Amino acid sequence: QQKVQQSPESLTVSEGAMASLNCTFSDGTSNNFRWYRQHSAKGLEVLVSIFSDGEKEEGRFTAHLNRANLHVSLHIREPQPSDSAVYLCAVSPNTGNYKYVFGAGTRLKVIA
Amino acid sequence: DAGVTQTPRHEVAEKGQTIILKCEPVSGHNDLFWYRQTKIQGLELLSYFRSKSLMEDGGAFKDRFKAEMLNSSFSTLKIQPTEPKDSAVYLCASSFDRAGVFFGKGTRLTVV
Repeated sequence: QQKVQQSPESLTVSEGAMASLNCTFSDGTSNNFRWYRQHSAKGLEVLVSIFSDGEKEEGRFTAHLNRANLHVSLHIREPQPSDSAVYLCAVSPNTGNYKYVFGAGTRLKVIA
Repeated sequence: DAGVTQTPRHEVAEKGQTIILKCEPVSGHNDLFWYRQTKIQGLELLSYFRSKSLMEDGGAFKDRFKAEMLNSSFSTLKIQPTEPKDSAVYLCASSFDRAGVFFGKGTRLTVV
């Protein structure tokens, strides 16, 4: 059964510094990965989806996937205090399957 | 706002009560998911519908949790009887092909 683990549990960065979040998964055949952000009063919003090894950029958010290492990361360029939220990594078996397994999340705090 | 709508946003129930959570997916979406979110377990899939047919019933959640989708624009999640350990945020999500999974803002359930 797929296991998804995120690190660190919490992260504090200064405004403008790069924030890097990590996610490891156990099923190397997975090829559907998403990063979500969850603000306390809002639902989850998708930030970036990635389906093959390499990088995928969506605005200030870049996902980097290395399936051989069972690792997908999220890098936030020039984070702002409004980016303070919980970030969730989600992994699905394939691009046609939306039964995601989620990590426990990384709580990011961006200080001015 | 044409996103996923969940009601109520907050629910307090006494142990042993029956509660029903409601979800309206994004119009036109054919996949609907119910998740439970706790700090310890993270996001866990409870039920998954494709075109109103139940595809996944969440295994360990079968006995007291029942999700239904009587039409393509409305789903319910019934918990009967409730227990204090059911206290969590319940999230509904919908999707259509590769357009992404959209989440509602969730229902925070407290069982006392």
